[in-house]
Amino acid sequence: DVKVTQSSRYLVKRTGEKVFLECVQDMDHENMFWYRQDPGLGLRLIYFSYDVKMKEKGDIPEGYSVSREKKERFSLILESASTNQTSMYLCASSFSGRAGNQPQHFGDGTRLSIL
Amino acid sequence: KQEVTQIPAALSVPEGENLVLNCSFTDSAIYNLQWFRQDPGKGLTSLLLIQSSQREQTSGRLNASLDKSSGRSTLYIAASQPGDSATYLCAVPPDGGSQGNLIFGKGTKLSVKP
Repeated sequence: DVKVTQSSRYLVKRTGEKVFLECVQDMDHENMFWYRQDPGLGLRLIYFSYDVKMKEKGDIPEGYSVSREKKERFSLILESASTNQTSMYLCASSFSGRAGNQPQHFGDGTRLSIL
Repeated sequence: KQEVTQIPAALSVPEGENLVLNCSFTDSAIYNLQWFRQDPGKGLTSLLLIQSSQREQTSGRLNASLDKSSGRSTLYIAASQPGDSATYLCAVPPDGGSQGNLIFGKGTKLSVKP
């Protein structure tokens, strides 16, 4: 079975802190994704990566950056955390396949609270 | 820009009923459509992926259909059980996307009463 592991289930940080969310997958997937999920807004794509050291902005990249130094690891960075970044963060991965015809596999999520 | 809609937002049924969840999308030029399940406080579990050339996919008591021309997909759950209670989301790649990223509906929260 595909395993996508997010380093923390719950995280509490303070405004202005630099926050790192880590995600590791064990299936040699090329694609990795970071979403945030908020009530009433659904899942929104922050950043994704289709190869090591490659990254693409999603729909809401402002205030975030990412790092992919190794194929299995994709990190989401909140440069200076703000209260409006309190959310559930979900990491996913998939094979690249042709025309993206590969299912995405998700981690269990990190519930981040910024105080 | 592709938009995905799921109606109703919530559904409650008695155990044993067959039920249908609906998903619609605005741009019919999709490569695939995926259905996911999300339990409270958890991540998403992939249930079914229908490729654009397919009309349906089945897994156990689940059957997903796809009608690209009308921009609709349905997820049929047979003989529902309390363990099926969860939020079900559908998702499609954006605007002919080929890099694997997805646009999600907001989900239908299903409650199956014993």
